[in-house]
Amino acid sequence: QQQVKQSPQSLIVQKGGISIINCAYENTAFDYFPWYQQFPGKGPALLIAIRPDVSEKKEGRFTISFNKSAKQFSLHIMDSQPGDSATYFCAASPISNFGNEKLTFGTGTRLTIIP
Amino acid sequence: DAGITQSPRHKVTETGTPVTLRCHQTENHRYMYWYRQDPGHGLRLIHYSYGVKDTDKGEVSDGYSVSRSKTEDFLLTLESATSSQTSVYFCAIGGQTNQPQHFGDGTRLSIL
Repeated sequence: QQQVKQSPQSLIVQKGGISIINCAYENTAFDYFPWYQQFPGKGPALLIAIRPDVSEKKEGRFTISFNKSAKQFSLHIMDSQPGDSATYFCAASPISNFGNEKLTFGTGTRLTIIP
Repeated sequence: DAGITQSPRHKVTETGTPVTLRCHQTENHRYMYWYRQDPGHGLRLIHYSYGVKDTDKGEVSDGYSVSRSKTEDFLLTLESATSSQTSVYFCAIGGQTNQPQHFGDGTRLSIL
């Protein structure tokens, strides 16, 4: 079963616009929520991550919004640029004594930014 | 990328043949992981290792085995490859508290 549901599957946004990708989870033990960015031919790279003790985290043009009661989190990319065109994955993991070794990924969103 | 080298980067082989993929790290991380990436499924954990000779199964471990005889190397073996194992395989390291998992650039494996 898909423990982390991601939508939309693909997204086209005009340059300068806001890109929004949503994820929902079921496992209440999840305690760490990263977003990864992947370019063709490359491995995923961490973009930004959040723990549920805060409702929002911002790094530059990228913001994670987190709603613990709804078990949902989303990625917002402000002032989207052509260089942001990539596939984005949300993920979730419980936090063990070691860390976040048991990541469960969403199915990915292919984002295309058009001029 | 983050001191991770996957080899080979591309491989084409036939059904029923054994295949071994290698992940080499220079970061001395205790934890290493093997994932497969397929359209519509995201990344799914196959096996992971939490130390030399210490491994555990992930979500999609059937048909795969792993070995870790040195801290820096984590091998993924398909004993008898099947067409359903055609995929892109990623190795990752890290995942300690407040540290993310870092991924290699993948191995594209095609089984005909």
